[in-house]
Amino acid sequence: DVKVTQSSRYLVKRTGEKVFLECVQDMDHENMFWYRQDPGLGLRLIYFSYDVKMKEKGDIPEGYSVSREKKERFSLILESASTNQTSMYLCASSTGDRGWTEAFFGQGTRLTVV
Amino acid sequence: DAKTTQPTSMDCAEGRAANLPCNHSTISGNEYVYWYRQIHSQGPQYIIHGLKNNETNEMASLIITEDRKSSTLILPHATLRDTAVYYCIASYALNTGNQFYFGTGTSLTVIP
Repeated sequence: DVKVTQSSRYLVKRTGEKVFLECVQDMDHENMFWYRQDPGLGLRLIYFSYDVKMKEKGDIPEGYSVSREKKERFSLILESASTNQTSMYLCASSTGDRGWTEAFFGQGTRLTVV
Repeated sequence: DAKTTQPTSMDCAEGRAANLPCNHSTISGNEYVYWYRQIHSQGPQYIIHGLKNNETNEMASLIITEDRKSSTLILPHATLRDTAVYYCIASYALNTGNQFYFGTGTSLTVIP
């Protein structure tokens, strides 16, 4: 059974803290993604990675960075957390095939910055 | 990725067919139409995809118009468990993969 696992279901952090959100997939997928989801705004792509150490910005990369040192792991980093980064964060992975691909999502991390 | 437009919300009676429309008038010839759904507090889940032909699987049917500018996801016998947000995406995977740009989707409520 395919699996994308996010390290935490709920997180509470203080303003200014450095926050790491971790995501691991066990499907040997080339591509991994980070989204945030906010009421009325849907899912918005923050960053994606199509290979180890490779990354591309999505729609809303400001205030975030990512790290992909190993194929199975993709980390989202909030360098200095702010209250407007309170959100649901979703990680996904997919194969690197051309044409059509299916994205598999984790359960999400609900981050609250106080 | 082509922009997609969906109604914000819809209701459907339990046991009836739910027909969810999507407009993708700027879709290019090689872009697939995908549908995902997200049940509350879970990550989105793939339902179905298509390119030109209509498609059916155990979850749903996808009807794509001949000009490919719109599509309809059909849940043939909606149940309460089908209450979810449904996302329509038009996309093609490049060498660097498929970026899957989601929008705000359609919130479907199945009514007993």
